[in-house]
Amino acid sequence: AQRVTQPEKLLSVFKGAPVELKCNYSYSGSPELFWYVQYSRQRLQLLLRHISRESIKGFTADLNKGETSFHLKKPFAQEEDSAMYYCAHFSSNTGKLIFGQGTTLQVKP
Amino acid sequence: GAVVSQHPSWVICKSGTSVKIECRSLDFQATTMFWYRQFPKQSLMLMATSNEGSKATYEQGVEKDKFLINHASLTLSTLTVTSAHPEDSSFYICSALPGQGPSSPLHFGNGTRLTVT
Repeated sequence: AQRVTQPEKLLSVFKGAPVELKCNYSYSGSPELFWYVQYSRQRLQLLLRHISRESIKGFTADLNKGETSFHLKKPFAQEEDSAMYYCAHFSSNTGKLIFGQGTTLQVKP
Repeated sequence: GAVVSQHPSWVICKSGTSVKIECRSLDFQATTMFWYRQFPKQSLMLMATSNEGSKATYEQGVEKDKFLINHASLTLSTLTVTSAHPEDSSFYICSALPGQGPSSPLHFGNGTRLTVT
């Protein structure tokens, strides 16, 4: 079954602190994983995808097939990073994009 | 960049009436569009996959007769909530896939807040 789990509903850190938003997936094939972000009163937008191996706004995410994880990291959090973050998995078999429960990141000044 | 327009952004209707929500891809063609539902402080739940020119594929537990989906063209999909009830009040979000898979990313509409009184 295709499943995405984000164990933390809320992550609260101080500005400048490192951030790690956890994501685990359950899928038997080769996963296609994404992180989406939703800032307050804005639409959902793509943050990054594992196939690109890119860093966006200082965020990176590495696919760990052994641990079936795709955690989102940033070494120094900024207040403007406060938002809702969703991990998502696309299955080419089903053509569906399934989202995790979402984690609210709160960066305090 | 690719833009998905969703209309209306909010709607209030009386119980028993039907509401239509439109999802348009403005500068690209989308053979596939997805409809999601989001309850307050919860994740996006996939309701159905809308394919241009064919019937939508509904997720388990989603009533196809209640949530009618029409994908009449490569740029427009509509979701009609029929005989709406207060429990249908929610945030509905559409998304469109420009390519064959989300190696080209999924683009989202701004969502529609439906309130059924």
